[in-house]
Amino acid sequence: DSGVTQTPKHLITATGQRVTLRCSPRSGDLSVYWYQQSLDQGLQFLIQYYNGEERAKGNILERFSAQQFPDLHSELNLSSLELGDSALYFCASSTAGGTGRYEQYFGPGTRLTVT
Amino acid sequence: KNEVEQSPQNLTAQEGEFITINCSYSVGISALHWLQQHPGGGIVSLFMLSSGKKKHGRLIATINIQEKHSSLHITASHPRDSAVYICAVKGSGGGADGLTFGKGTHLIIQP
Repeated sequence: DSGVTQTPKHLITATGQRVTLRCSPRSGDLSVYWYQQSLDQGLQFLIQYYNGEERAKGNILERFSAQQFPDLHSELNLSSLELGDSALYFCASSTAGGTGRYEQYFGPGTRLTVT
Repeated sequence: KNEVEQSPQNLTAQEGEFITINCSYSVGISALHWLQQHPGGGIVSLFMLSSGKKKHGRLIATINIQEKHSSLHITASHPRDSAVYICAVKGSGGGADGLTFGKGTHLIIQP
């Protein structure tokens, strides 16, 4: 158990809908990262938040957004869903978010199926 | 060309064999991670390396920064080692901490 929690575990929804994925980092971790794992693209970095502020953006679509709240939990919002958004979405956390080398601890993931 | 290349893509071996998985990268990095993903989907971080060698139980990871290459070794392999092993790098550009991933090596250890 990494100490990172994600809800829900599974989510099935229809095209065009909007969903919210939730992540609680390990106690004391200030950075939260969101990753997407799809069959064709593999694992991709989406976005990072550090202590409530957006820190870095990766391959995140404009239809997707995220935020980190004062209690450090984070939410990833996916809107106007398409079939191709079906994937495993992982959250990871680390103690800090600078240029240092910090271990990242992964949550169990949310499996999103868009029908 | 992907920034992170792993080989082999698939590997099947017998229990007890010595396993080597390779990772090459084309960008400057500040750290390299080896991750394990089991069939259930969960990801576990095995190692984070910036130089040299690390060992944990039957797992050994090495990195050669000059050659931009890392290897993950499993000694006395066991069926429970069957998983996907993923190499990921953190760029040295500063700021962003997101990882860039290889496509993974699917390892099957047969009893």
